[in-house]
Amino acid sequence: DQQVKQNSPSLSVQEGRISILNCDYTNSMFDYFLWYKKYPAEGPTFLISISSIKDKNEDGRFTVFLNKSAKHLSLHIVPSQPGDSAVYFCAAKKAGTASKLTFGTGTRLQVTL
Amino acid sequence: NAGVTQTPKFRVLKTGQSMTLLCAQDMNHEYMYWYRQDPGMGLRLIHYSVGEGTTAKGEVPDGYNVSRLKKQNFLLGLESAAPSQTSVYFCASAIDGGLNTEAFFGQGTRLTVV
Repeated sequence: DQQVKQNSPSLSVQEGRISILNCDYTNSMFDYFLWYKKYPAEGPTFLISISSIKDKNEDGRFTVFLNKSAKHLSLHIVPSQPGDSAVYFCAAKKAGTASKLTFGTGTRLQVTL
Repeated sequence: NAGVTQTPKFRVLKTGQSMTLLCAQDMNHEYMYWYRQDPGMGLRLIHYSVGEGTTAKGEVPDGYNVSRLKKQNFLLGLESAAPSQTSVYFCASAIDGGLNTEAFFGQGTRLTVV
């Protein structure tokens, strides 16, 4: 039972344009959502997060939007850069659960010149 | 500062062999985790620990054992490896179990069971 879903396995975007990565979840008990970025042969690294009580969080070129009623979140990268090419994982967690993460399947982003 | 270090980085095992994966963190974190990543599945939690001397099961614990004898180390053991355990294993640590606590990941161990 995949509680966090990323339905697009891959995405290709031109440098300078906007990248939009999507994530859906089924468990309404999730309180916190995170995006992790992963380069080949490296571990995931934290990118940005959002609490379930907010609908937007921004950090530089990265913005995460949360639509709680639709159980949907998205990561916007503006402008996209070649160094953003990586696999992006959406993850979620519930309060009081030892910060255990439930991950989506990942979206591979390729930013082309 | 090393962060989270996993040993070894690569390993090939024969079915039935045993091995231990070592995770070491130098950030004095209380919480540690073992995840596995498989194609099309994302990362799934195997076992975790909320402090020295404690361990708990995650989503996919069968076939694995863990120990946290020292705060800085979290060991993942495979007693009798099976081809289904071919995967990339990631260790992570976090300072506590808070909602906005960031987890730091190691570089991964690629394990192949033949």
